[in-house]
Amino acid sequence: SAVISQKPSRDICQRGTSLTIQCQVDSQVTMMFWYRQQPGQSLTLIATANQGSEATYESGFVIDKFPISRPNLTFSTLTVSNMSPEDSSIYLCSVDRDHGYTFGSGTRLTVV
Amino acid sequence: QQQVKQSPQSLIVQKGGIPIINCAYENTAFDYFPWYQQFPGKGPALLIAIRPDVSEKKEGRFTISFNKSAKQFSLHIMDSQPGDSATYFCAASKTAGTASKLTFGTGTRLQVTL
Repeated sequence: SAVISQKPSRDICQRGTSLTIQCQVDSQVTMMFWYRQQPGQSLTLIATANQGSEATYESGFVIDKFPISRPNLTFSTLTVSNMSPEDSSIYLCSVDRDHGYTFGSGTRLTVV
Repeated sequence: QQQVKQSPQSLIVQKGGIPIINCAYENTAFDYFPWYQQFPGKGPALLIAIRPDVSEKKEGRFTISFNKSAKQFSLHIMDSQPGDSATYFCAASKTAGTASKLTFGTGTRLQVTL
C-alpha cells in the first residue's frame, strides 16, 4: 500500500488565521482525498483532488474555506482558512491504490 | 442522510472473546466494503475488505460476513486481545467511475479487557 507523509502532525492556531496541511505520497496516484474527523466522530470527506483540475467538494464544504492544491501526482495541500474553534478537528489525506485506501496519520488542529 | 449505519457505538469484551460489529448500508450501488482500525493519534488503517460476490472473507483473526439481500455486513474478531482495543469503522464505496469515495460508518470503540 502507499506510504503517506502528512505535515504538520498537530498545530494550535489562533482564530482568524489559516493553516496549510501538506500530504506527500511515495508514488503517483490519480486522486487524493481530504477528510475531516471531528473529536470522537467518524470521517467526513471534504473534497477529492485530481492533478491538473479543481478539487471536487462535498456538500457543506466550500473552496473559499478549504482551498486545495494538487500540483503533481504525489503531493497535495489543504488550507483551512479563517479558522474558528469549530474547525478544531483531525484532518487526514487519503489515496486509493487499487481500492486499498490508505490514510496519512492526520493533522490534529486546535483553534483557540 | 447517513448511508452507512454502524452499531454498537462501543463494546467491551474480555480477552479471548469474539466482538461483533455490524453495519448496514442503503445504496445498492456500493460494491466495496472495507473495515478500518484506528488507534488514538493515528490515521485509520485498512484491516480487511469484501466485495458483494462473496458472503465471507477471513484474514487472520478478522472475518467479514456479508449479507447482500439484507444490505448488511459485520466484522468478527476471533480470540480478541487487549491490543485490539481501538476504534473500528466500516465503510462502503462504489467502484464504478473515477471518483469512488468512501462513506464511513459512525465507528465502534472496542475495549478488550484482561
